[in-house]
Amino acid sequence: AAGVIQSPRHLIKEKRETATLKCYPIPRHDTVYWYQQGPGQDPQFLISFYEKMQSDKGSIPDRFSAQQFSDYHSELNMSSLELGDSALYFCASSFGGTDTGELFFGEGSRLTVL
Amino acid sequence: DQQVKQNSPSLSVQEGRISILNCDYTNSMFDYFLWYKKYPAEGPTFLISISSIKDKNEDGRFTVFLNKSAKHLSLHIVPSQPGDSAVYFCAARGSQGNLIFGKGTKLSVKP
Repeated sequence: AAGVIQSPRHLIKEKRETATLKCYPIPRHDTVYWYQQGPGQDPQFLISFYEKMQSDKGSIPDRFSAQQFSDYHSELNMSSLELGDSALYFCASSFGGTDTGELFFGEGSRLTVL
Repeated sequence: DQQVKQNSPSLSVQEGRISILNCDYTNSMFDYFLWYKKYPAEGPTFLISISSIKDKNEDGRFTVFLNKSAKHLSLHIVPSQPGDSAVYFCAARGSQGNLIFGKGTKLSVKP
């Protein structure tokens, strides 16, 4: 079965550069979530979208922005990168009509900022 | 302030024995609780969930117990297998569907 696809899987950037991560949800899933997991940390919720509209916002820095497109894929844009942005970024998707709470996660994009 | 807490960073059990992973939460408005399993370099994989209106949910070797009065849930794995070795995250569902994770417990099941 198709899963959540994230790209790129690995990305290396320098401080003050920009980075874009992409997420392709499971077909027919209409909700996308972005999480950031630092080394030894739990995944922290950044932002979510439902039907292309932002539905909730967590600890996303102002330097980051995200959007969900008409085909339901989502992109996380990160600017003025800092060393502390080095982390594993997970995207998850769900179908809004499901009431079990389950999110399906991608394998993550590892961002390293040098 | 951590809304979902997993106070044991690690747990080691012998193969065939029971593994019990614990989780506490602070917000009584959470309506679903979930357990995710995570291997290194992979995304979290859903394991089992429980609605706040229930006190137990069982799926094969995995059982989740919820004690709402104590704001506590636990995951029981019986019998534990070496392949169960992973980091287990407890999560609670927020009002917009996002998950709030605990810090995880690393389970090691020794043969």
